[in-house]
Amino acid sequence: AQSVTQLDSQVPVFEEAPVELRCNYSSSVSVYLFWYVQYPNQGLQLLLKYLSGSTLVKGINGFEAEFNKSQTSFHLRKPSVHISDTAEYFCAVTYYGGSQGNLIFGKGTKLSVKP
Amino acid sequence: NAGVTQTPKFRILKIGQSMTLQCTQDMNHNYMYWYRQDPGMGLKLIYYSVGAGITDKGEVPNGYNVSRSTTEDFPLRLELAAPSQTSVYFCASSYPTGRGSYEQYFGPGTRLTVT
Repeated sequence: AQSVTQLDSQVPVFEEAPVELRCNYSSSVSVYLFWYVQYPNQGLQLLLKYLSGSTLVKGINGFEAEFNKSQTSFHLRKPSVHISDTAEYFCAVTYYGGSQGNLIFGKGTKLSVKP
Repeated sequence: NAGVTQTPKFRILKIGQSMTLQCTQDMNHNYMYWYRQDPGMGLKLIYYSVGAGITDKGEVPNGYNVSRSTTEDFPLRLELAAPSQTSVYFCASSYPTGRGSYEQYFGPGTRLTVT
């Protein structure tokens, strides 16, 4: 079965420090990759997506992610975090030609930004 | 556009009771989804629909039913509620992009407790 692994369940970091949230997926076929953010008591909001083309994808709020096909990874990065980035982040994948765009989610990484 | 709306926001059910979670989208998306989110487990797909009159099971459909009589509405029915159905439920809708991917838009969620 296809799966998404988010290697860290919690990531504490100080304000203005860089952060990387890791995501690996299991697949040998073409994929579409997404990062969603969930602020406390809210729904999920799309942060960025990789469909094809450049492997470096830029999203909202200064986040970016790099698609690495050989390592089946799609790590999320931000060079300098803010308190307001405190949230849970979900990596998700859907497979080219897959079933009606059904997303497979990782278990999430809680980013906690401390002053 | 209101996007994806869900009602109610919160609900407490007794074991054995039934209820319907409402979901409406005003983006004219054909594809709609129901997920449940449990702490540390990410999101699991319950049911999805590719258009009015067409529904299919996701990863965790047991104990739930859906219907899709219109493009806009996709209600989720819980029959004989059980404590294992205590969760946060998210509805989402999506459209196919030119490359065959599907970007999903999420509602704010319904927090359900079964006691």
